Amino acid sequence: DAGVTQSPTHLIKTRGQQVTLRCSPKSGHDTVSWYQQALGQGPQFIFQYYEEEERQRGNFPDRFSGHQFPNYSSELNVNALLLGDSALYLCASILRVGQGVQGYTFGSGTRLTVV
Amino acid sequence: GESVGLHLPTLSVQEGDNSIINCAYSNSASDYFIWYKQESGKGPQFIIDIRSNMDKRQGQRVTVLLNKTVKHLSLQIAATQPGDSAVYFCAENFAGTYKYIFGTGTRLKVLA
Repeated sequence: DAGVTQSPTHLIKTRGQQVTLRCSPKSGHDTVSWYQQALGQGPQFIFQYYEEEERQRGNFPDRFSGHQFPNYSSELNVNALLLGDSALYLCASILRVGQGVQGYTFGSGTRLTVV
Repeated sequence: GESVGLHLPTLSVQEGDNSIINCAYSNSASDYFIWYKQESGKGPQFIIDIRSNMDKRQGQRVTVLLNKTVKHLSLQIAATQPGDSAVYFCAENFAGTYKYIFGTGTRLKVLA
């Protein structure tokens, strides 16, 4: 049973560029959340997707956007990259329908470096 | 792998001793809590959870204690092993929102 898979694992971009990160949730999961983890800090909630719609959003600017596809996979897009966007981006999935609150399963993340 | 927490508080324990990692959570309305373990180069891994209607829950070698009065959570690891070396995060959930707020984390170093 595959867990959460993310691609790419590492990425280097230049300031001002745009980036797309991809996530496939754990088999059977229908909800995907994205987190940003700066070095030395805990993960910070970016947003959550369920039924192909953004359901909740953390305190991140509109430069951060996302999408969820019918197969539950998801993308995170960041426009106009800043040096401060350098971080580990984590995708987490959960089965939301009828299961109540439970812990997310996390992927290993994409390490984004902005130069 | 890359380090996930270069400047985190660090707890150093001798192999075989018990470890206690503490966390203060932020919202008195949070009703579900999780401890995650994060090893270098990996995503957070679920360890144990507890709901707000409980004050203690035990797993294999791990125990979580919840004190809602002072908004405090602790993780106890019995007979700490080298494989327990990692960064540990507590996370709280607001009343069924599926949004988790993570604490700042504690690095556990197990000394041989």
